[in-house]
Amino acid sequence: GAVVSQHPSWVICKSGTSVKIECRSLDFQATTMFWYRQFPKQSLMLMATSNEGSKATYEQGVEKDKFLINHASLTLSTLTVTSAHPEDSSFYICSARGLGSTNEKLFFGSGTQLSVL
Amino acid sequence: AQSVTQPDIHITVSEGASLELRCNYSYGATPYLFWYVQSPGQGLQLLLKYFSGDTLVQGIKGFEAEFKRSQSSFNLRKPSVHWSDAAEYFCAVGEVFGNEKLTFGTGTRLTIIP
Repeated sequence: GAVVSQHPSWVICKSGTSVKIECRSLDFQATTMFWYRQFPKQSLMLMATSNEGSKATYEQGVEKDKFLINHASLTLSTLTVTSAHPEDSSFYICSARGLGSTNEKLFFGSGTQLSVL
Repeated sequence: AQSVTQPDIHITVSEGASLELRCNYSYGATPYLFWYVQSPGQGLQLLLKYFSGDTLVQGIKGFEAEFKRSQSSFNLRKPSVHWSDAAEYFCAVGEVFGNEKLTFGTGTRLTIIP
């Protein structure tokens, strides 16, 4: 099946620094990628939807200037948490979908655990 | 707005016993329903999905789920669990067309005891 690679799987950073998370589709062209965050014992909350070559669409309450999303190619989307603070500590997961596919062809990365000190 | 409720936060089952995980949804039209499994520190893997047709759907790893419109439910079942089934399970509902965002439930953590 299709593979989505997410990197890093785990990162610790100091408060005020920025962290970049990468999401790559390894064997298909991901025209749409989704970014989720998941707090402990809670569900996945959609943060934003990114389409290749266009600006990301953010969900209500998600700061677009804090969570920068770039989807510059059909195989790579990045999420940058700018000026991270302890409350940004969470598990971030990306998912990717190919052109013309519906949600049954949605593939998830393995997630990134971000800890901000 | 669509929503998903998974009433059970944590379930413990003996290996070899049967399993049922509950999922209730709220959706204005015909729902597109999913069950995903998440192992610790991992992404989500699709177990099964329902859009239309037979209300009893078969998935991978011996799982099945039954769509009951009258009860707005889509419960996941397995006749005999294995220790490797220990994980977090998420039910999700989504649109079929349009922007196709998925809404997830809060998950049910499954523990298997010998």
